[in-house]
Amino acid sequence: DTEVTQTPKHLVMGMTNKKSLKCEQHMGHRAMYWYKQKAKKPPELMFVYSYEKLSINESVPSRFSPECPNSSLLNLHLHALQPEDSALYLCASSQDYRLHSSYEQYFGPGTRLTVT
Amino acid sequence: GESVGLHLPTLSVQEGDNSIINCAYSNSASDYFIWYKQESGKGPQFIIDIRSNMDKRQGQRVTVLLNKTVKHLSLQIAATQPGDSAVYFCAENTAGNQFYFGTGTSLTVIP
Repeated sequence: DTEVTQTPKHLVMGMTNKKSLKCEQHMGHRAMYWYKQKAKKPPELMFVYSYEKLSINESVPSRFSPECPNSSLLNLHLHALQPEDSALYLCASSQDYRLHSSYEQYFGPGTRLTVT
Repeated sequence: GESVGLHLPTLSVQEGDNSIINCAYSNSASDYFIWYKQESGKGPQFIIDIRSNMDKRQGQRVTVLLNKTVKHLSLQIAATQPGDSAVYFCAENTAGNQFYFGTGTSLTVIP
């Protein structure tokens, strides 16, 4: 099973709302990622978690707050977003995350976020 | 049909023809590459990967070629089918598992 699931599929939120995106994998992967993808653009890395600890934050604004409650779950908490934050938010996982190794990375279907 | 990836973002081919999608990567230290297929409304789907100690790898109907001298990667799809219509991204990995994606090429298969 190489499935990464994400909920919700679609989310519309106002600029004063607080919402969360959820991601789950049951492949035993120890690395999980959040990407942001604008229309007709490639995915852009936001955060990397390795063994439930934040390893990489690609200078993402604090209105995006990631959380990794356990090795299978990854959340992205959203607060006071701007309309330009509207995008497809993708979660991915891989077997591991190490400085001198690389592993296949599997993506979920994404959450389509619209900020009004 | 053939694209140059970063410079020509669209490619149209007749069903049954072979497709070649190109990608010029930026970092000579990149040591692992993945090709992804992304259909409309879906997340990227892993197609095939290649490590820098190889110059060719074959899968089912797909072949990836790596030319490290000119930092060029290509994806060849044999006997292209309508279901192959999608955007194709190459992704390069330099350190750990941080992948950086190319611009993408939109492939349209004409029945």
